[in-house]
Order: sequence, then C-alpha cells, then structure tokens
Amino acid sequence: DAGITQSPRHKVTETGTPVTLRCHQTENHRYMYWYRQDPGHGLRLIHYSYGVKDTDKGEVSDGYSVSRSKTEDFLLTLESATSSQTSVYFCAISEEEREFPDTQYFGPGTRLTVL
Amino acid sequence: GQSLEQPSEVTAVEGAIVQINCTYQTSGFYGLSWYQQHDGGAPTFLSYNALDGLEETGRFSSFLSRSDSYGYLLLQELQMKDSASYFCAVAAGGYQKVTFGIGTKLQVIP
Repeated sequence: DAGITQSPRHKVTETGTPVTLRCHQTENHRYMYWYRQDPGHGLRLIHYSYGVKDTDKGEVSDGYSVSRSKTEDFLLTLESATSSQTSVYFCAISEEEREFPDTQYFGPGTRLTVL
Repeated sequence: GQSLEQPSEVTAVEGAIVQINCTYQTSGFYGLSWYQQHDGGAPTFLSYNALDGLEETGRFSSFLSRSDSYGYLLLQELQMKDSASYFCAVAAGGYQKVTFGIGTKLQVIP
C-alpha cells in the first residue's frame, strides 16, 4: 500500500470555524489531490498540486484553500466551515508511471461533520 | 470538461459474471481507469486501459473502445467480497487530473 496518511480521521466542528486537514505521503510522489465524496456525486476534485508551492483549483474549490510547502505534505483548509462542507475528504497521490500513468493512490479519508 | 456515465446500482449472484459499463466524454483522453471502494474504505486502483481491447487481471477484466468512448469492467466468478462500489475514471489534460464517475454499487447476493 502507498504510504499515505490523513489527519484527523474524524472531526466534528461548528459552522464558521476554520478547519485544516493534513495529508502526508512517504512515496515522494509529485502529484497530490484533495477530493470530497458525497452520496450521488462520487469523487469530486477540490484542489491538486503538481509540486511544492504549485497548486491549482479543481471543480469544487469554492470555500477551500490548500498549501504544499514540502513534497510530503498537502494541507486543505476550510477558512470558515459551512454545513455544506460536511463530507468525506480523501487525499490521493500519483506519479507518471509508465504502465499506469494516471493511477491514483488514496489515503484512508477524513470524515468531517460541520454542525 | 469531462463527464462519465455508469449505472448507479447492479445486483448479481455469487459465482456469476457481471459487466459494469462506462461511457465518457472528454477532451485529450489518456486512458480509462477503474477503482473499487468498499463501504467505509478508500478507493483502490483496479485496472487501466490506454489502448483498445481487453486487459485481464485475475477475475477482473477491463475493456476499452476509444472510438466509442466506452469501456467496461468485467467481474467473473463473483464473490461476496466483491460487493463494493466501482468507479470509472478518465484522465484528460495535463497535470494528471482525473475525473471520476459517480460509481456503480455492486451487490452480490447468495
């Protein structure tokens, strides 16, 4: 299994509070991603990174920001959490492998509840 | 943009064969991937097709037709542990961006 951890694994917070989720990898992979997963929507890309300090928006980036100061860490921040951000958040990593160039490896997920 | 369509639910009998279809619309297509996700777990990679044809990995096979923008995942000799959600995904554009379908929930019944 790819070495990906997420912290915290579960979090309950209140509307309006800031929340930061952390993704840590030991694979030295270049690409890192944050997804949210909601019933009926599958996995939707929030933000991704293609290198240290290089990030870009995904399809559902409003209300989220990210930072990547080291290869191994990718942080997702909800500046002011809302109930619509209650979801399961997955971090993923990938590398341009010759055989399976687009393969992504997922972390265990963080279940976030915003009350 | 990219879009994928796959059935939301499929039910099949233990020991049987099931096919999960996926159609896609995308620009700059690189390949079609399949992922499995058990309830409460993380998605895990199953297979990848970049070229037309069938790829076989044990009980699982994946097929791609680039001209039809269509692929499928074939699961043979179904086992109860195969009950899970299966996602097709396409990569398009640069930076390894992947778009996932909404997933097909497979229920294997005795």
